[in-house]
Amino acid sequence: SQTIHQWPATLVQPVGSPLSLECTVEGTSNPNLYWYRQAAGRGLQLLFYSVGIGQISSEVPQNLSASRPQDRQFILSSKKLLLSDSGFYLCAWSRDRVERGGAFFGQGTRLTVV
Amino acid sequence: KNQVEQSPQSLIILEGKNCTLQCNYTVSPFSNLRWYKQDTGRGPVSLTIMTFSENTKSNGRYTATLDADTKQSSLHITASQLSDSASYICVVSAFIMDSSYKLIFGSGTRLLVRP
Repeated sequence: SQTIHQWPATLVQPVGSPLSLECTVEGTSNPNLYWYRQAAGRGLQLLFYSVGIGQISSEVPQNLSASRPQDRQFILSSKKLLLSDSGFYLCAWSRDRVERGGAFFGQGTRLTVV
Repeated sequence: KNQVEQSPQSLIILEGKNCTLQCNYTVSPFSNLRWYKQDTGRGPVSLTIMTFSENTKSNGRYTATLDADTKQSSLHITASQLSDSASYICVVSAFIMDSSYKLIFGSGTRLLVRP
């Protein structure tokens, strides 16, 4: 069966510090991968999605970047965090071209920038 | 522009009562529609998935409907329980140019079930 791992679960970082959140998927190959952010009381905002290694699409201009160094690994990064980067970050995967696969989410990372 | 609108934004009901959540979308080309349940501080979990040709899909006390002509969906919760308190998110898949698809999320409905 497929599983998705996302870590860390919580993170408190000072303004200006770097960020690296990692997400890995097991039990499937060539998944579509997504990074979402959810501000308090708001809906999910798509940040990045990837349909393959090295292929990253950015949905909104921001202080963050994403990379996909391996097929089942997706990393969210920042060189210098801003206060506005605080939020709940979710990694998700879905099957490539299989319409009924649905999207499966990690448990999220609560990031607080202080 | 691809959009998914959900209503109401929040809802409070008494335990044991039924409720219906609404989702309207303007997504093209449409692939499928999913309802998720998200507990506070957790990742969303899929409840139902429906393609263009499906009108109704049930998962226990949850029943989702889809009207592809009017581009509307609803999620009906029967005999609500305290554990149903969560955010319910409507997500529509849209095909994109490279033969893959991406997900468009509604902002969710926050449901609170009171004893």
